[in-house]
Amino acid sequence: AQSVTQPDIHITVSEGASLELRCNYSYGATPYLFWYVQSPGQGLQLLLKYFSGDTLVQGIKGFEAEFKRSQSSFNLRKPSVHWSDAAEYFCAVDTGNQFYFGTGTSLTVIP
Amino acid sequence: NAGVTQTPKFQVLKTGQSMTLQCAQDMNHEYMSWYRQDPGMGLRLIHYSVGAGITDQGEVPNGYNVSRSTTEDFPLRLLSAAPSQTSVYFCASSYSRLFHEQYFGPGTRLTVT
Repeated sequence: AQSVTQPDIHITVSEGASLELRCNYSYGATPYLFWYVQSPGQGLQLLLKYFSGDTLVQGIKGFEAEFKRSQSSFNLRKPSVHWSDAAEYFCAVDTGNQFYFGTGTSLTVIP
Repeated sequence: NAGVTQTPKFQVLKTGQSMTLQCAQDMNHEYMSWYRQDPGMGLRLIHYSVGAGITDQGEVPNGYNVSRSTTEDFPLRLLSAAPSQTSVYFCASSYSRLFHEQYFGPGTRLTVT
């Protein structure tokens, strides 16, 4: 069965520190991969997406993600976190038949 | 463009009551979907539609009905609410079914007592 795993339920980082959020997927072929962010009380907003081509993709708000086929991973990174990045982050895959979300990683940013 | 709108924002129901969550989009998107979000479970797909007159079930369809009479609107009906349906519901739309960004509404927080 297809699935998306975000192993970190909650991460705390200091403002200005680097960030990496992990995402692993289980799917027989290469899926189409997304990262979404959800601020408190809001809907989800797309950060970036990977369909094909360059495995390092750039998104909004200074985020990037790298697709690694050998590890079935699509980790999200940011070199320097801002306080406004505190939110919930969801990895998602589109297999062509259905869209699956991970359970999310909650990010806290401390001054 | 208003994007994806959802009403109401909050709702409290008693067990057994029925209600309809409204969703509308003004982007002429063909694909629309409903998700529920529960703590520790991420978002799970309830129903989706690839165009007017076409709907299909997602991962957790039981207890919910949908219809798509127009491109713009995709209401979600709870025929007999149960406490297990207490959740936050999100409607989303995208240009087409495959591999396009989904645009999400602000959500409806539903409590069933």
